[in-house]
Amino acid sequence: SQKIEQNSEALNIQEGKTATLTCNYTNYSPAYLQWYRQDPGRGPVFLLLIRENEKEKRKERLKVTFDTTLKQSLFHITASQPADSATYLCALGVVDSSYKLIFGSGTRLLVRP
Amino acid sequence: IAGITQAPTSQILAAGRRMTLRCTQDMRHNAMYWYRQDLGLGLRLIHYSNTAGTTGKGEVPDGYSVSRANTDDFPLTLASAVPSQTSVYFCASSDIDRSYNEQFFGPGTRLTVL
Repeated sequence: SQKIEQNSEALNIQEGKTATLTCNYTNYSPAYLQWYRQDPGRGPVFLLLIRENEKEKRKERLKVTFDTTLKQSLFHITASQPADSATYLCALGVVDSSYKLIFGSGTRLLVRP
Repeated sequence: IAGITQAPTSQILAAGRRMTLRCTQDMRHNAMYWYRQDLGLGLRLIHYSNTAGTTGKGEVPDGYSVSRANTDDFPLTLASAVPSQTSVYFCASSDIDRSYNEQFFGPGTRLTVL
Protein backbone atom coordinates (compact mmCIF):
# COMPACT_ATOMS: atom_id res chain seq x y z
CA SER A 1 0.00 0.00 0.00
CA GLN A 2 1.03 3.60 -0.46
CA LYS A 3 2.11 5.42 2.66
CA ILE A 4 3.72 8.65 3.66
CA GLU A 5 4.99 8.79 7.22
CA GLN A 6 6.15 11.51 9.52
CA ASN A 7 7.02 11.06 13.15
CA SER A 8 3.79 11.52 15.06
CA GLU A 9 5.61 12.29 18.29
CA ALA A 10 6.49 15.90 18.93
CA LEU A 11 10.12 16.91 18.55
CA ASN A 12 11.24 18.93 21.56
CA ILE A 13 14.56 20.76 21.24
CA GLN A 14 16.50 23.57 22.84
CA GLU A 15 16.71 26.96 21.18
CA GLY A 16 19.80 27.28 19.01
CA LYS A 17 19.96 23.58 18.14
CA THR A 18 19.23 22.07 14.76
CA ALA A 19 15.84 20.44 14.33
CA THR A 20 15.64 17.51 11.94
CA LEU A 21 12.30 16.18 10.77
CA THR A 22 11.83 13.06 8.71
CA CYS A 23 9.42 12.16 5.93
CA ASN A 24 9.38 8.60 4.60
CA TYR A 25 7.22 7.22 1.84
CA THR A 26 6.50 3.88 0.22
CA ASN A 27 5.07 2.90 -3.15
CA TYR A 28 5.08 6.41 -4.55
CA SER A 29 7.27 7.88 -7.27
CA PRO A 30 7.01 11.59 -6.57
CA ALA A 31 8.26 14.13 -9.06
CA TYR A 32 8.85 16.56 -6.23
CA LEU A 33 8.36 17.00 -2.52
CA GLN A 34 7.23 20.04 -0.58
CA TRP A 35 7.37 21.09 3.05
CA TYR A 36 4.71 23.22 4.72
CA ARG A 37 4.42 24.87 8.11
CA GLN A 38 1.12 24.90 9.99
CA ASP A 39 0.39 26.95 13.08
CA PRO A 40 -2.55 26.08 15.36
CA GLY A 41 -5.87 27.18 13.91
CA ARG A 42 -4.35 28.18 10.57
CA GLY A 43 -3.88 26.73 7.13
CA PRO A 44 -0.54 25.30 5.99
CA VAL A 45 2.02 27.67 4.50
CA PHE A 46 4.48 26.58 1.81
CA LEU A 47 8.15 26.60 2.80
CA LEU A 48 10.31 24.69 0.34
CA LEU A 49 10.15 22.47 -2.71
CA ILE A 50 12.71 19.94 -3.87
CA ARG A 51 12.58 18.12 -7.18
CA GLU A 52 13.33 14.44 -7.72
CA ASN A 53 16.63 15.23 -9.44
CA GLU A 54 17.81 17.49 -6.59
CA LYS A 55 19.62 16.18 -3.55
CA GLU A 56 19.48 19.27 -1.36
CA LYS A 57 17.78 22.66 -1.20
CA ARG A 58 18.41 25.56 1.15
CA LYS A 59 16.50 28.67 2.12
CA GLU A 60 17.86 30.82 4.91
CA ARG A 61 17.93 28.56 8.01
CA LEU A 62 16.03 25.77 6.28
CA LYS A 63 17.53 22.81 4.44
CA VAL A 64 15.75 19.94 2.74
CA THR A 65 17.25 16.74 1.38
CA PHE A 66 15.56 14.25 -0.90
CA ASP A 67 16.79 10.69 -1.34
CA THR A 68 14.66 8.85 -3.90
CA THR A 69 16.56 5.62 -3.28
CA LEU A 70 15.82 5.64 0.45
CA LYS A 71 12.41 7.22 -0.26
CA GLN A 72 13.07 9.81 2.37
CA SER A 73 13.25 13.56 2.84
CA LEU A 74 14.88 15.29 5.79
CA PHE A 75 13.93 18.82 6.81
CA HIS A 76 16.43 20.77 8.92
CA ILE A 77 16.01 24.04 10.78
CA THR A 78 19.36 25.37 11.97
CA ALA A 79 19.75 27.79 14.89
CA SER A 80 16.17 27.03 15.89
CA GLN A 81 14.05 29.66 17.64
CA PRO A 82 10.89 29.42 19.74
CA ALA A 83 9.08 31.07 16.81
CA ASP A 84 9.86 27.96 14.77
CA SER A 85 7.49 25.96 16.98
CA ALA A 86 4.74 24.64 14.71
CA THR A 87 3.65 21.51 12.87
CA TYR A 88 5.59 20.71 9.73
CA LEU A 89 3.97 18.76 6.91
CA CYS A 90 5.65 17.06 4.01
CA ALA A 91 3.77 16.59 0.77
CA LEU A 92 4.56 14.43 -2.24
CA GLY A 93 3.90 15.75 -5.70
CA VAL A 94 2.64 12.94 -7.90
CA VAL A 95 2.35 14.10 -11.47
CA ASP A 96 -0.91 12.85 -12.90
CA SER A 97 -4.09 14.46 -14.18
CA SER A 98 -4.89 15.98 -10.81
CA TYR A 99 -1.64 17.78 -9.92
CA LYS A 100 -2.44 16.71 -6.42
CA LEU A 101 -0.29 16.69 -3.31
CA ILE A 102 -0.28 13.79 -0.88
CA PHE A 103 0.31 15.02 2.63
CA GLY A 104 1.88 13.38 5.62
CA SER A 105 0.19 13.85 8.99
CA GLY A 106 2.88 16.23 10.19
CA THR A 107 5.38 16.46 13.01
CA ARG A 108 4.99 19.01 15.78
CA LEU A 109 8.16 20.89 16.66
CA LEU A 110 8.58 22.57 20.04
CA VAL A 111 11.60 24.82 20.52
CA ARG A 112 12.29 25.63 24.15
CA PRO A 113 13.82 29.02 25.02
CA ILE B 1 -9.10 40.57 -0.38
CA ALA B 2 -5.71 39.07 -0.92
CA GLY B 3 -5.20 35.36 -1.12
CA ILE B 4 -7.82 32.79 -0.33
CA THR B 5 -10.81 33.13 1.99
CA GLN B 6 -13.21 30.61 3.46
CA ALA B 7 -16.60 30.96 5.09
CA PRO B 8 -17.90 30.26 7.61
CA THR B 9 -15.04 30.14 10.10
CA SER B 10 -16.88 27.52 12.09
CA GLN B 11 -20.26 25.86 12.07
CA ILE B 12 -22.26 23.44 14.18
CA LEU B 13 -24.68 21.46 12.08
CA ALA B 14 -27.39 18.91 12.79
CA ALA B 15 -26.99 15.57 11.07
CA GLY B 16 -29.00 15.34 7.88
CA ARG B 17 -28.76 19.05 7.10
CA ARG B 18 -27.29 20.42 3.91
CA MET B 19 -24.28 22.70 4.17
CA THR B 20 -22.13 24.61 1.70
CA LEU B 21 -18.63 25.73 2.59
CA ARG B 22 -17.47 28.70 0.57
CA CYS B 23 -14.01 29.32 -0.86
CA THR B 24 -12.85 32.30 -2.89
CA GLN B 25 -9.40 33.20 -4.22
CA ASP B 26 -8.21 36.36 -5.90
CA MET B 27 -4.89 35.10 -7.25
CA ARG B 28 -6.36 33.92 -10.58
CA HIS B 29 -5.06 30.44 -9.89
CA ASN B 30 -6.42 27.81 -12.25
CA ALA B 31 -6.43 24.92 -9.76
CA MET B 32 -8.37 24.66 -6.52
CA TYR B 33 -8.65 21.94 -3.90
CA TRP B 34 -10.67 20.92 -0.86
CA TYR B 35 -9.04 18.99 1.98
CA ARG B 36 -10.22 17.76 5.32
CA GLN B 37 -7.84 17.54 8.25
CA ASP B 38 -8.42 15.12 11.08
CA LEU B 39 -6.18 14.42 14.03
CA GLY B 40 -3.59 11.79 13.17
CA LEU B 41 -4.71 11.53 9.55
CA GLY B 42 -3.29 14.69 8.10
CA LEU B 43 -4.73 16.48 5.12
CA ARG B 44 -6.83 14.33 2.80
CA LEU B 45 -7.98 15.53 -0.60
CA ILE B 46 -11.76 15.56 -1.10
CA HIS B 47 -12.18 17.12 -4.54
CA TYR B 48 -10.11 19.22 -6.87
CA SER B 49 -10.51 21.35 -9.96
CA ASN B 50 -7.73 21.99 -12.48
CA THR B 51 -9.63 24.75 -14.24
CA ALA B 52 -13.03 26.41 -14.25
CA GLY B 53 -15.69 24.03 -15.48
CA THR B 54 -13.87 20.83 -14.49
CA THR B 55 -13.73 18.90 -11.21
CA GLY B 56 -12.28 15.62 -10.03
CA LYS B 57 -12.49 13.28 -7.08
CA GLY B 58 -9.77 13.03 -4.49
CA GLU B 59 -9.08 10.45 -1.84
CA VAL B 60 -12.29 10.90 0.22
CA PRO B 61 -15.05 12.28 -2.05
CA ASP B 62 -18.07 10.39 -0.72
CA GLY B 63 -20.76 12.63 0.77
CA TYR B 64 -19.31 15.77 -0.81
CA SER B 65 -19.84 17.61 -4.07
CA VAL B 66 -18.17 20.61 -5.66
CA SER B 67 -18.69 22.98 -8.54
CA ARG B 68 -16.38 25.38 -10.37
CA ALA B 69 -18.48 27.84 -12.28
CA ASN B 70 -15.70 30.43 -12.45
CA THR B 71 -12.00 30.80 -11.64
CA ASP B 72 -12.40 32.38 -8.23
CA ASP B 73 -14.99 30.28 -6.41
CA PHE B 74 -14.99 26.63 -5.40
CA PRO B 75 -17.83 25.75 -3.01
CA LEU B 76 -17.99 22.42 -1.21
CA THR B 77 -21.43 20.99 -0.44
CA LEU B 78 -22.41 18.35 2.07
CA ALA B 79 -25.81 17.18 0.85
CA SER B 80 -26.80 15.43 4.07
CA ALA B 81 -24.24 15.87 6.82
CA VAL B 82 -23.19 12.95 9.03
CA PRO B 83 -21.13 13.04 12.26
CA SER B 84 -18.10 11.49 10.51
CA GLN B 85 -17.86 14.68 8.47
CA THR B 86 -16.89 16.58 11.61
CA SER B 87 -13.49 17.96 10.67
CA VAL B 88 -11.52 21.04 9.74
CA TYR B 89 -11.88 21.82 6.04
CA PHE B 90 -9.22 23.65 4.09
CA CYS B 91 -9.50 25.11 0.63
CA ALA B 92 -6.35 25.66 -1.40
CA SER B 93 -5.37 26.99 -4.79
CA SER B 94 -2.36 26.78 -7.06
CA ASP B 95 -1.15 27.84 -10.46
CA ILE B 96 -0.49 24.58 -12.25
CA ASP B 97 0.92 26.33 -15.28
CA ARG B 98 3.95 27.08 -13.13
CA SER B 99 6.08 24.13 -12.18
CA TYR B 100 5.57 22.14 -9.07
CA ASN B 101 2.27 23.26 -7.72
CA GLU B 102 2.91 25.35 -4.60
CA GLN B 103 -0.46 25.45 -2.89
CA PHE B 104 -1.92 28.40 -1.01
CA PHE B 105 -4.33 27.53 1.77
CA GLY B 106 -7.26 29.33 3.29
CA PRO B 107 -7.73 29.70 7.06
CA GLY B 108 -10.06 26.70 7.31
CA THR B 109 -13.62 25.99 8.37
CA ARG B 110 -14.20 24.01 11.54
CA LEU B 111 -17.34 21.94 11.08
CA THR B 112 -19.08 19.95 13.80
CA VAL B 113 -21.93 17.62 12.84
CA LEU B 114 -24.09 16.50 15.74
